[in-house]
Amino acid sequence: QVQLVESGGGVAQPGTSLRLSCAASAFNFRSHAMHWVRQAPGKGLDWVAVISKDGDRKYYADSVEGRFTISRDNSQNTLYLQMNSLRAEDTAVYYCARVPTAMLNYYFDYWGQGTLVTVSS
Amino acid sequence: EIVMTQSPATLSVSPGERATLSCRASQSVSSNLAWYQQKPGQGPRLLIYGASTRATGIPARFSGSGSGTEFTLTISSLQSEDFAVYYCQQYNNWPPGTFGPGTKVDIK
Repeated sequence: QVQLVESGGGVAQPGTSLRLSCAASAFNFRSHAMHWVRQAPGKGLDWVAVISKDGDRKYYADSVEGRFTISRDNSQNTLYLQMNSLRAEDTAVYYCARVPTAMLNYYFDYWGQGTLVTVSS
Repeated sequence: EIVMTQSPATLSVSPGERATLSCRASQSVSSNLAWYQQKPGQGPRLLIYGASTRATGIPARFSGSGSGTEFTLTISSLQSEDFAVYYCQQYNNWPPGTFGPGTKVDIK
């Protein structure tokens, strides 16, 4: 059973940093592109970033470009999101999501349960 | 950049009735369209990909149709567990993860 388990969320002050993790299990992690998608309270789904299966290609939404960094450790089956210079508008539940292939732009066949990030002073 | 719209925003349906949800793309996305179901406190769940292919384990009461710019998700006979928010997503054009705003299906 494919599992994606996010962690690392919490309360952060504006301008500070947080690092999210997503532990993957029960599939060949290194064969799949992986994404972060977020959802502000009561709002819809908002794509954040994607990383290729080898980690050599990374793309970001304009709203986080230059502040967030996506990375992965294929030896540990873990996806990361380093979030710097946090803003109030980054407050959201952050989901990691798998695509079924190595393609960067595809549908998401598995999602985690999410981790809540609250940015507030 | 493609913009996805969904209608209606809220759909009130009685259990056992049919629900029809619409999704429209601002330009053609061919059949590269997925549908997701999300319940409170949970991550989204893939229902349909390729506009009409049910994902693994999805009941046959869920069906998808359409191509180009107009798509439909139909739930033939609503069960209690189907009351949720439904999102469409195009994956034909960059950027990834272009979602519609969602349709909430609630109990009439």
